[in-house]
Amino acid sequence: NAGVMQNPRHLVRRRGQEARLRCSPMKGHSHVYWYRQLPEEGLKFMVYLQKENIIDESGMPKERFSAEFPKEGPSILRIQQVVRGDSAAYFCASSNNSGTGIGNTIYFGEGSWLTVV
Amino acid sequence: GQNIDQPTEMTATEGAIVQINCTYQTSGFNGLFWYQQHAGEAPTFLSYNVLDGLEEKGRFSSFLSRSKGYSYLLLKELQMKDSASYLCAPRRNNYGQNFVFGPGTRLSVLP
Repeated sequence: NAGVMQNPRHLVRRRGQEARLRCSPMKGHSHVYWYRQLPEEGLKFMVYLQKENIIDESGMPKERFSAEFPKEGPSILRIQQVVRGDSAAYFCASSNNSGTGIGNTIYFGEGSWLTVV
Repeated sequence: GQNIDQPTEMTATEGAIVQINCTYQTSGFNGLFWYQQHAGEAPTFLSYNVLDGLEEKGRFSSFLSRSKGYSYLLLKELQMKDSASYLCAPRRNNYGQNFVFGPGTRLSVLP
């Protein structure tokens, strides 16, 4: 859904550098999800955030990865000291709340493709 | 936690009907979503079921049986553009990983 904005769309980093991926949710949405997709594989949940709160980070690798969703500005997924295995598509999605109903469908951004060389 | 199972790949012919099954085990069930993802693109929302039964939307229909932990997506009058991955996502009503996707079914539509 064009309403969720991710940047950069493509990012190349050398091993050991840092990668920062940004996500602005759809207008009115206060819940953000990050997913990783390796080539030819499914979407893997990483982290679920609300403004200034990490609700569930059970899918995040224990080291080098962090996420935030500040009161002002986009959500940031940060990968420190990148390795070749971090090369993947990172999708952000947003919803307006986590309650019931079709109104709480999550909508995806176009993704950020990270390549580590 | 959640356990979601879908066939890995399916093939069908243009104009035919195909059914993609999804079985799941989850606590605090709060509806099931289907998404379509073309290669190299973002997933897009297809359908949502929260009650048992069939929801029809044009060429696509989705069925849910909560007691069996089972859903299917039915695609009619297949077109070449329907070649994509189809992702099943049961949702939970608490905060822990409340939107986890199944492995996806890669559908190839042949002429």
